[in-house]
Amino acid sequence: QSALTQPASVSGSPGQSITISCTGTSSDVGSYNLVSWYQQHPGKAPKLMIYEVSKRPSGVSNRFSGSKSGNTASLTISGLQAEDEADYYCCSYAGSSTPYYVFGTGTKVTVL
Amino acid sequence: QVQLQESGPGLVKPSQTLSLTCTVSGGSISSGGYYWSWIRQHPGKGLEWIGYIYYSGSTYYNPSLKSRVTISVDTSKNQFSLKLSSVTAADTAVYYCARDDYGGNCDYWGQGTLVTVSS
Repeated sequence: QSALTQPASVSGSPGQSITISCTGTSSDVGSYNLVSWYQQHPGKAPKLMIYEVSKRPSGVSNRFSGSKSGNTASLTISGLQAEDEADYYCCSYAGSSTPYYVFGTGTKVTVL
Repeated sequence: QVQLQESGPGLVKPSQTLSLTCTVSGGSISSGGYYWSWIRQHPGKGLEWIGYIYYSGSTYYNPSLKSRVTISVDTSKNQFSLKLSSVTAADTAVYYCARDDYGGNCDYWGQGTLVTVSS
């Protein structure tokens, strides 16, 4: 099972909106609404930002939103802030008969 | 507030078995409702799901690691553990433990522990 494909980097100016794509296959992203997104600052553990495609955990800013179309999921960050500069990873359920999860390749978000 | 803390050797020799333990506080593994996961991150690379366990002992593993991985749980100590056998330099990574509500939604993570495989 290959990693989900994400752009290596995305950048934007403060206040702008950016979108990170996460492309999988019909065996993972395309088949299940179990896509999550994680934010990871250098040297820190990942933080759950979006789960089940578009749901936000308590405490996560509503500037973060998720969606999915076909085999591609997306994370949008609106009103970009300096603190949003981090690595972002998507994750999708990929199991058929038994649970299995695959992560994306990761995207470095730079706030210009 | 749930907290997770990994512990174990930071250096393992090639061909030996990597062993890590995750201690959970602020919540009981045996209360159910969650899966307890191991995830690793190779230096400068992305995340890789290793597997998870339910309090009952049911385990699910990454197919690419399944032949070498064992995850176990000790509810009396509120801990779960990872064993990875026949390690090579390719297993050098930061290993994280995390709580998963099923669906890959890991809402609590340990700080991670770097394990280096080297002679």
